[in-house]
Amino acid sequence: EVQLVESGGGLVQPGESLRLSCAGSGFIFSSFEMNWVRQAPGKGLEWLSYISGRGTTIYYADSVKGRFTISRDNAKNSLYLEVRSLRAEDTAVYYCARSDGGSGNYFDYWGRGTLVTVSS
Amino acid sequence: EIVMTQSPATLSVSPGERATLSCRASQSVSSNLAWYQQKPGQAPRLLIYGASTRATGIPARISGSRSGTEFTLTISSLQSEDFAVYYCQQYNNWPPTTFGQGTKLEIK
Repeated sequence: EVQLVESGGGLVQPGESLRLSCAGSGFIFSSFEMNWVRQAPGKGLEWLSYISGRGTTIYYADSVKGRFTISRDNAKNSLYLEVRSLRAEDTAVYYCARSDGGSGNYFDYWGRGTLVTVSS
Repeated sequence: EIVMTQSPATLSVSPGERATLSCRASQSVSSNLAWYQQKPGQAPRLLIYGASTRATGIPARISGSRSGTEFTLTISSLQSEDFAVYYCQQYNNWPPTTFGQGTKLEIK
C-alpha cells in the first residue's frame, strides 16, 4: 500500500524556518517524481514545488522561489521542504504528493499533511 | 500562468440526482486535466486524469469530459459520500501546475 506521511510542521514566529519531511513507503520511491502542495485554512490548493526522481530537476512556484528548497534522500525514501523567512500568509497545511509516473504531473497519492502556523 | 475557473462555487443537489461541475481553462491545456475530491480534514483524492480517465477504484458513476477549454465532472446518482469539495488541475503548461478554486457539492 502506498503511503506518504508528512511531519515537521508546527507553530513558528514570522521570519523563522522549518524543515518539513515526507516519508514514502509501499512503492519504489526513487522512481517517482514528487511535489509539495499547500492549502491555507479554508482556501484552495496551491502547488509549491516539484522534484524529479533523481533530484536533478527542480521547479518552484514564483510565490516561494528563493525561500523554499525541495530535496530528497532516496536512500531514506524521504522528501523534504526547507521553508525559510516564514510569513503569516505561509500558514497552511503542507501536503506531499506523488506524480503519476510519466503520465503527467497530476498527483495520484497524497499524504495527510502537516500544519504550519506562522504567528507571533 | 494558466488560470482555471470552476463553477459554480457551491452546488446543492439531492441524493440520487446528478451533479455537473464545470472547469474552464484560460488557454488550451489539451486533455491534461485532473479532478480531485476533498472531504473535510482529509487530503485530496484523485478522481480523473487525462480529462476523462478514472483513477484506480473510482466508480463508473463519476465521469469527466472535455470540450475545448471547458471540462466537466459529472456524478450521476449522488451518494452521501460524494458531498465534498472538488478541484480541477491543469498539468499541460507547467510549471506552475494550477488548480481551480474549487466547487463545494452540498446536500440539498
